Amino acid sequence: DSGVTQTPKHLITATGQRVTLRCSPRSGDLSVYWYQQSLDQGLQFLIQYYNGEERAKGNILERFSAQQFPDLHSELNLSSLELGDSALYFCASSVGGSGYGYTFGSGTRLTVV
Amino acid sequence: GDSVTQMEGPVTLSEEAFLTINCTYTATGYPSLFWYVQYPGEGLQLLLKATKADDKGSNKGFEATYRKETTSFHLEKGSVQVSDSAVYFCALSTGNQFYFGTGTSLTVIP
Repeated sequence: DSGVTQTPKHLITATGQRVTLRCSPRSGDLSVYWYQQSLDQGLQFLIQYYNGEERAKGNILERFSAQQFPDLHSELNLSSLELGDSALYFCASSVGGSGYGYTFGSGTRLTVV
Repeated sequence: GDSVTQMEGPVTLSEEAFLTINCTYTATGYPSLFWYVQYPGEGLQLLLKATKADDKGSNKGFEATYRKETTSFHLEKGSVQVSDSAVYFCALSTGNQFYFGTGTSLTVIP
């Protein structure tokens, strides 16, 4: 157990729907990062939050949004889902910046049908 | 911009063979370098790291040395086991951002 908890582990939904992925960071970590991993695109950085504020944005689609709550858990919202959004979504956390290395959760596997 | 390039896979080795997975980087400043491993069905786990030039990271028999002159951080293991079958990611951190390589799949056969 890495200490980073992601729920749900698996999610199957239809095109056009909206889903919410949840992440609880390791105790004491203030930064949360979201990544998308697909077979053809590899590991893509989506977005980072630090202590409730958005800190960096990567290749995140406008249909996707995220937030970090006062208790530091984070949610990634994916809307108007398309078949191509099927992927593994990972959350990672760190104490502060990325120089400390990340601790990853075990991921949420999203299948859009 | 900052980036990491690692050797294409997949790599297939026999048990007890020597492993090298090449990783080179481009970065301004002095990045920290990492190797992560992803076992089937799991998230990424930190395998080892090095924070400055000439540092050697090591863990579970794996080693990598931070070579500033060749901008490299190659992963090595003297004798691989079936349980080492996984995808290995090289990564660098500039303090604000993390950059991952594309991953190298390793399969070790008995």
